[in-house]
Amino acid sequence: DAGVIQSPRHEVTEMGQEVTLRCKPISGHDYLFWYRQTMMRGLELLIYFNNNVPIDDSGMPEDRFSAKMPNASFSTLKIQPSEPRDSAVYFCASSAPNTGELFFGEGSRLTVL
Amino acid sequence: KNQVEQSPQSLIILEGKNCTLQCNYTVSPFSNLRWYKQDTGRGPVSLTIMTFSENTKSNGRYTATLDADTKQSSLHITASQLSDSASYICVVSDYKLSFGAGTTVTVRA
Repeated sequence: DAGVIQSPRHEVTEMGQEVTLRCKPISGHDYLFWYRQTMMRGLELLIYFNNNVPIDDSGMPEDRFSAKMPNASFSTLKIQPSEPRDSAVYFCASSAPNTGELFFGEGSRLTVL
Repeated sequence: KNQVEQSPQSLIILEGKNCTLQCNYTVSPFSNLRWYKQDTGRGPVSLTIMTFSENTKSNGRYTATLDADTKQSSLHITASQLSDSASYICVVSDYKLSFGAGTTVTVRA
């Protein structure tokens, strides 16, 4: 298996622009997580899905952030409009039904100027 | 509030030496404790997962210990290699995951 695949790996954009991050989980995993990592706050859970249904989005910082999972093999995290404080590395992770072990993607490094 | 505290924040060791990282937590109830290794610019990778009943678990040169009574865990790296240079993150689970801030290990030749 190729693992969790995220795109883009790097994104540089200007304040006010829309940003869309993409994730393909490992086939057969029924949980998908979006995390944000910064030096100041470490890894923070933004939202997670179970069987494509959003379960807990309490970590989403504000209405500018939204996430969707239209099918079992694809999810997006959208920021509109983006702000400089959104600059971070965004990780997608998926987990298998029984073990709960998390498999992370390589992350999308976002820089908002 | 559930917390996971890791120490030290960073350390530097010479290649071939051993080191031990600490993790103290207040998460309750406790389901499992995980250690992840994160190389610079990469995503975290699981090293070990321990449940309440497990005291020690090894993965190659990495050995994790758990004392659920004192709510402490350690990660021991034996005969360190340059490739061990990374951030090591302790994660404790009840119904959700609580992440430590990580310990940055630098192995020098």
